[in-house]
Amino acid sequence: DAKTTQPNSMESNEEEPVHLPCNHSTISGTDYIHWYRQLPSQGPEYVIHGLTSNVNNRMASLAIAEDRKSSTLILHRATLRDAAVYYCIRRDGGKSTFGDGTTLTVKP
Amino acid sequence: DAGVIQSPRHEVTEMGQEVTLRCKPISGHNSLFWYRQTMMRGLELLIYFNNNVPIDDSGMPEDRFSAKMPNASFSTLKIQPSEPRDSAVYFCASSLKAANTEAFFGQGTRLTVV
Repeated sequence: DAKTTQPNSMESNEEEPVHLPCNHSTISGTDYIHWYRQLPSQGPEYVIHGLTSNVNNRMASLAIAEDRKSSTLILHRATLRDAAVYYCIRRDGGKSTFGDGTTLTVKP
Repeated sequence: DAGVIQSPRHEVTEMGQEVTLRCKPISGHNSLFWYRQTMMRGLELLIYFNNNVPIDDSGMPEDRFSAKMPNASFSTLKIQPSEPRDSAVYFCASSLKAANTEAFFGQGTRLTVV
């Protein structure tokens, strides 16, 4: 099964870091790990992706386990605008399978 | 670039009618995806194209669904005949072909079949 496993929901306080976990134990060597988020009434929005090494961009950081069977999306300082559903997906060529995602609630 | 453009944004139709959803991908992108999102099933990949050629349509639920990409700048998803259970938000996305590139999603078409 190409789906990933994520907790259904998580909560965070504003201005605090958030670590969103993802399990992809059946990942193949050529699959990339992508993260997207979806705000209400919008299409999914790209956050970050990686293959083996940890990655940083202006939105977030991605920490990938050495065996690649899990990864963690890190939002360094959560804001109210980060409240969304976060999806971790495996991408093999064109095919991407979305799981159920994690609903992140940010409390002021 | 204006991003991925989908039309219409909202569509309400009667059961049995034909519905056509449209998508204009980002210029230069050679992969295009159609997704469907419902509360029950989440985001499902219906079909994707590389260089205008359908690569994987295993997610297309029934023969009532068909998708075409006549050129690099246009794709359609057609449902004929439509049924109430087809009510969902349909998203189109495009990307460069490689797996290490990001996909850009349109705003979606909310389809209601009554």
